Amino acid sequence: DTEVTQTPKHLVMGMTNKKSLKCEQHMGHRAMYWYKQKAKKPPELMFVYSYEKLSINESVPSRFSPECPNSSLLNLHLHALQPEDSALYLCASSQAYASDSYEQYFGPGTRLTVT
Amino acid sequence: KNQVEQSPQSLIILEGKNCTLQCNYTVSPFSNLRWYKQDTGRGPVSLTIMTFSENTKSNGRYTATLDADTKQSSLHITASQLSDSASYICVVSARTGFQKLVFGTGTRLLVSP
Repeated sequence: DTEVTQTPKHLVMGMTNKKSLKCEQHMGHRAMYWYKQKAKKPPELMFVYSYEKLSINESVPSRFSPECPNSSLLNLHLHALQPEDSALYLCASSQAYASDSYEQYFGPGTRLTVT
Repeated sequence: KNQVEQSPQSLIILEGKNCTLQCNYTVSPFSNLRWYKQDTGRGPVSLTIMTFSENTKSNGRYTATLDADTKQSSLHITASQLSDSASYICVVSARTGFQKLVFGTGTRLLVSP
């Protein structure tokens, strides 16, 4: 099974709302990633978790708060977002972060619209 | 600066025809090159991954080539189908010991009936 699942598929939220995105994988991967993708642009790395610890934060605003409750789950908590945060949020996983050769498997994404 | 450039930006072909997408990169030191297919509004799906020593790799009707000397790769699609309509993203991994991917901007392919 090489599947990464993400919920919800679509999310519409106001600027004062608090919501969470969820990502799950059961491949035994120890690295998980959050990417943000705007229309017609490549994915941009936001966060990397390695062995359930935050390894990389690509200077992401604090209104995005990641969490890795266990090795299979990755959450992205959203609070006080701006309309420009509307995008496709992709989760990915790989066997480990400390290797440049492992393949990354992407989830289907959550389409977020901030109104 | 590590960069990945793809051409063309977009392409329209008739169903059943072949096409070739190009990728040039400046990522150094090089570890591997990946081609992903991304349907609109969906996550990227891996097609191939090639290391320095691999010149060609196939996945069904998709064949990727790599010339590490000229830092160029191509993705050839044979006998295109309507379901091939998607964005194709070239991604290069630098030999950093970590998963640091450099994404190209993609080629949007439309296969027309």
